[in-house]
Amino acid sequence: QVQLQESGPGLVKPSETLSLTCTVSDGSISSYYWSWIRQPPGKGLEWIGYIYYSGSTNYNPSLKSRVTISLDMSKNQFSLKLTSVTAADTAIYYCARVWSSSFYWYFDLWGRGILVTVSS
Amino acid sequence: EVVLTQSPGTLSLSPGERATLSCRASQSVSSNYLAWYQQKPGQAPRLLIYGASNRATGIPDRFSGSGSGTDFTLTISRLEPEDFAVYYCHQFGSSPLTFGGGTKVEIK
Repeated sequence: QVQLQESGPGLVKPSETLSLTCTVSDGSISSYYWSWIRQPPGKGLEWIGYIYYSGSTNYNPSLKSRVTISLDMSKNQFSLKLTSVTAADTAIYYCARVWSSSFYWYFDLWGRGILVTVSS
Repeated sequence: EVVLTQSPGTLSLSPGERATLSCRASQSVSSNYLAWYQQKPGQAPRLLIYGASNRATGIPDRFSGSGSGTDFTLTISRLEPEDFAVYYCHQFGSSPLTFGGGTKVEIK
């Protein structure tokens, strides 16, 4: 059973860079798209971006200037960097796998999420 | 950007009742790229329906999805206690990917 686990600091200072990693267990990172999604406390879901195992990326334009998603196939991990954070970036950050086929695209597996608070 | 509007915001029902949740898109979305997720407090979202009407693995048949174009519906035929949660629709058809604001199904 493939599992995803987010890791990283739970507290980041304003103007600094948020860095998170998602480790994929019991499965390969190859042949899939991998995504980051966030959810401010008590609010809805916001897609941040995704990366293909080949390294190609697609980001939400609302965050594109501050976001970088990368992957490390040797470690079966992919990562998120979000620069110049503010309190508005406080959220639960989820990593997720994209199921993509000729017909259907959707997020089929999610990590448990990690709460990141931006505060001095 | 495709805006997904879910209604109602909150649905107050009793166990055993039928729940009908609506998701309306600001522009046409291919049914292939419309999904529904369930989220319980403290948990990650869980895939319920993909391709507008296909149940994900392990999802009970009391959950069903329908719709096309700009109007999609999630129906729970008979609410079980574990179904009280927040439900989100999601489109993967055009970037940026977007989610609806959610419908909370609460116990009446």
